[in-house]
Amino acid sequence: EVQLVESGGGLIQPGGSLRLSCEASGVTVSRNYMSWVRQAPGKGLEWVSLIYSGGSTYYADSVKGRFTISRDNLKNILYLQMNSLRAEDTAVYYCARDLSRYHDIWGQGTLVTVSS
Amino acid sequence: DIQMTQSPSSLSASVGDRVTITCQASQDINKYLNWYQQRPGKAPKLLIYDASNLETGVPSRFSGSGSGTDFTFTISSLQPEDIATYYCQHYDNLPPTFGGGTKVEIK
Repeated sequence: EVQLVESGGGLIQPGGSLRLSCEASGVTVSRNYMSWVRQAPGKGLEWVSLIYSGGSTYYADSVKGRFTISRDNLKNILYLQMNSLRAEDTAVYYCARDLSRYHDIWGQGTLVTVSS
Repeated sequence: DIQMTQSPSSLSASVGDRVTITCQASQDINKYLNWYQQRPGKAPKLLIYDASNLETGVPSRFSGSGSGTDFTFTISSLQPEDIATYYCQHYDNLPPTFGGGTKVEIK
C-alpha cells in the first residue's frame, strides 16, 4: 500500500526550530519529486517546498532562507527543517508526491503551532 | 507568481444537482490545472489532473475542462459524500499556486 505519514509537529515558540518527517511506504522518496504543502487553520492550501529526484530544491518566497527540504534515501524519509518560525507558519503540513505536475499522494498531515 | 481565482467561494445544492466551479488563471497555464477535494478534517485528494484527466478510482460524475486561463470543474449529480471544499491548482511553473477553494454544501 502506498502511504505517506508525517510526524514532528507540535507547539513551538516564535523563533524556534522544528523538523518534520514524512515516512514513505510503497513509494521511493529518492526516485520521486516530493513536496510539502501547508494549510493554516481555516484557510486554503499553500505550496511550501519541492525536492526533485535529482536533488534540486525549491521554496515558496514565504519560507525561503528559513526552511530546508531534504531526504534520507536509506530510510526513505522526507524532511522539512523549519527555522526562525513565525506565528504565520502555524498550519497543518502535508507531504505529497508530485507525479508529473500534480500531487497524487498525500499524507494525513501534522500540525505545527507557533505561539508563545 | 500566477494567481488563481476560483468561484464561487461556497455553494449550496440539492442531491442530484449539477454543480459547476470555475477557476481563472492570471496568465496562460496551458493544460496544467488540477482539482482537489478536501473533506472536513482530511487531507486533500486529487480528482482531476491536467485540466480534464480523471484520477484513477475517482467517480465519473466528476469532470474538468478548459485550457489557457479558464477552467471548469463539474459534478454532474451531487451526492451526499461530495460535501467538501474543492481547490484548483496550477502547476505550469513554480510556485504551483492554489485557488481559494469552494465549499460545497447540501441544501
